[in-house]
Amino acid sequence: GESVGLHLPTLSVQEGDNSIINCAYSNSASDYFIWYKQESGKGPQFIIDIRSNMDKRQGQRVTVLLNKTVKHLSLQIAATQPGDSAVYFCAENPVSGGYNKLIFGAGTRLAVHP
Amino acid sequence: EPEVTQTPSHQVTQMGQEVILRCVPISNHLYFYWYRQILGQKVEFLVSFYNNEISEKSEIFDDQFSVERPDGSNFTLKIRSTKLEDSAMYFCASSEGSDEQFFGPGTRLTVL
Repeated sequence: GESVGLHLPTLSVQEGDNSIINCAYSNSASDYFIWYKQESGKGPQFIIDIRSNMDKRQGQRVTVLLNKTVKHLSLQIAATQPGDSAVYFCAENPVSGGYNKLIFGAGTRLAVHP
Repeated sequence: EPEVTQTPSHQVTQMGQEVILRCVPISNHLYFYWYRQILGQKVEFLVSFYNNEISEKSEIFDDQFSVERPDGSNFTLKIRSTKLEDSAMYFCASSEGSDEQFFGPGTRLTVL
């Protein structure tokens, strides 16, 4: 079956440190992956995406790494700030499931301490 | 910056009642979606909509659910006879193509 899951439900970091949030997926046919940030009471907010023909993509303070061999996705946040505190979800768009259907992982809560 | 909007922000209803959740997707987007998130759980796909028809739906999206694009701007989710387990946050999303989906702020549905 297809599923997307997260290794760590909660991650606590000090302000200024780098954060790494991990995600495992099981559908090897998935070709598109996204990281979303969700703050309390709000909808998921797009952070960064990556297609399966890439293994790394960088944005502003964020980097997504894709390891297709072990079906692993990670989000790296550099110099974590208090405003980064939120729940982070990985999501995949499984080709076999039809286009544009996002399957979300369980979420990791990132807590940034001053 | 254009954004997806949803109304109402909170809907309280009695079990068995019909509810309609409303969304205004981003104006140049062609693909529309509904997701739901039960409190403390992950976001779950309900349905995708393109070219005035459902392109895919999940097992959750049974005969009690329907979607409609009644005009050029609104996208609605109707639940015909609400159940207690329908209580959740309902998110609308839209995308220009088969890529980044933009989510609205959600409607919190409480079924009593």
